[in-house]
Amino acid sequence: DGGITQSPKYLFRKEGQNVTLSCEQNLNHDAMYWYRQDPGQGLRLIYYSQIVNDFQKGDIAEGYSVSREKKESFPLTVTSAQKNPTAFYLCASSIDRGRGTDTQYFGPGTRLTVL
Amino acid sequence: AQKVTQAQTEISVVEKEDVTLDCVYETRDTTYYLFWYKQPPSGELVFLIRRNSFDEQNEISGRYSWNFQKSTSSFNFTITASQVVDSAVYFCALSEMGSGNTGKLIFGQGTTLQVKP
Repeated sequence: DGGITQSPKYLFRKEGQNVTLSCEQNLNHDAMYWYRQDPGQGLRLIYYSQIVNDFQKGDIAEGYSVSREKKESFPLTVTSAQKNPTAFYLCASSIDRGRGTDTQYFGPGTRLTVL
Repeated sequence: AQKVTQAQTEISVVEKEDVTLDCVYETRDTTYYLFWYKQPPSGELVFLIRRNSFDEQNEISGRYSWNFQKSTSSFNFTITASQVVDSAVYFCALSEMGSGNTGKLIFGQGTTLQVKP
């Protein structure tokens, strides 16, 4: 089945540790996105990538890093520089190169808790 | 600046009632897209509808309907004869179509809908 997978579903991290969240899609989509959701709030864009080997910062990129070495993969690293990383992280993809015309489809999310 | 406002934080209804979720947006773009997503307790966002700024026709899909009015910058969502399975958080979103065309979505804060049996 085509879709977006994120792993792990739950992740616990100690303060000061970097952690990488996985996002894979087999929809042959060009564009991929990472969003962060805090309780009672909407989603905020962390990073996005419109094509392989290229990515751009979103609204809240500080303390995060990404890579896009393959079309189907867009991992997000939460670094120790991120001051408040506990949140729900959602990955999305869309078929076009982020022209804003196409629908973004979302993965199931990863809930990160910093202990 | 682009902005999406969902003024209703939480709504509670009894099964079979009709319910309308409000969405008001701000944008300087003449061309834009509006979306509604559903987020059930599992957390995944489920796409419901996409509407472009040139199409003001109302849309109906089963028990769901959408009313897009450019004059009031609103894109409201109505669920007819609500069911317990409709309980979720619903998000309205606006696509950014300005210079750069990033495809970035601007989300509202979400409306939590609880449908009681």
